[in-house]
Amino acid sequence: AQTVTQSQPEMSVQEAETVTLSCTYDTSENNYYLFWYKQPPSRQMILVIRQEAYKQQNATENRFSVNFQKAAKSFSLKISDSQLGDTAMYFCAFLPGAGSYQLTFGKGTKLSVIP
Amino acid sequence: DSGVTQTPKHLITATGQRVTLRCSPRSGDLSVYWYQQSLDQGLQFLIQYYNGEERAKGNILERFSAQQFPDLHSELNLSSLELGDSALYFCASSDGLAGEGYNEQFFGPGTRLTVL
Repeated sequence: AQTVTQSQPEMSVQEAETVTLSCTYDTSENNYYLFWYKQPPSRQMILVIRQEAYKQQNATENRFSVNFQKAAKSFSLKISDSQLGDTAMYFCAFLPGAGSYQLTFGKGTKLSVIP
Repeated sequence: DSGVTQTPKHLITATGQRVTLRCSPRSGDLSVYWYQQSLDQGLQFLIQYYNGEERAKGNILERFSAQQFPDLHSELNLSSLELGDSALYFCASSDGLAGEGYNEQFFGPGTRLTVL
């Protein structure tokens, strides 16, 4: 079974600054996917970024980028130029590459962007 | 808007009761997933259906059941409700099966269940 750990229950960042959210995971799989989901106060789960384990290049989506360290089983999310709308819960999630259909989520990190 | 709809948005009921949560997947999506988000357990996978058939089970209690109908909408039935069943229940859909390449799961807005 896979586990996903987010060690930072809460974080805050000043508007326009950069913040990094941490995530570690444990798996015996070699092929898998990793995700960061955002859950704003509206409760909607929004996919922010995904990473395929077989890709060495770190994924980037506009102001969001990841630092994927496969050997260390680490998957951190960097948010650049933080905006007030980035205030939300952020969940790291794991999906096996084959044979399973369930996302395994971390407990989440509550990010507050301070004006 | 993800294209996944869930009804009702909010549900308040008493212990021992039975409720039904409904989910309509995105047009064309064959897979439906149910997740429970509670303060104690976080986000947990409950069950998945693909084109009307159950395909995977997670941490779903025996008091809970689900089904997917021919029109692909799904219902999650929760019975003999307990206080600890209070949670946000999400439905997600994708266009295929995991393991056949990557299939993004699109989440609905959730149903907030409160058991008093």
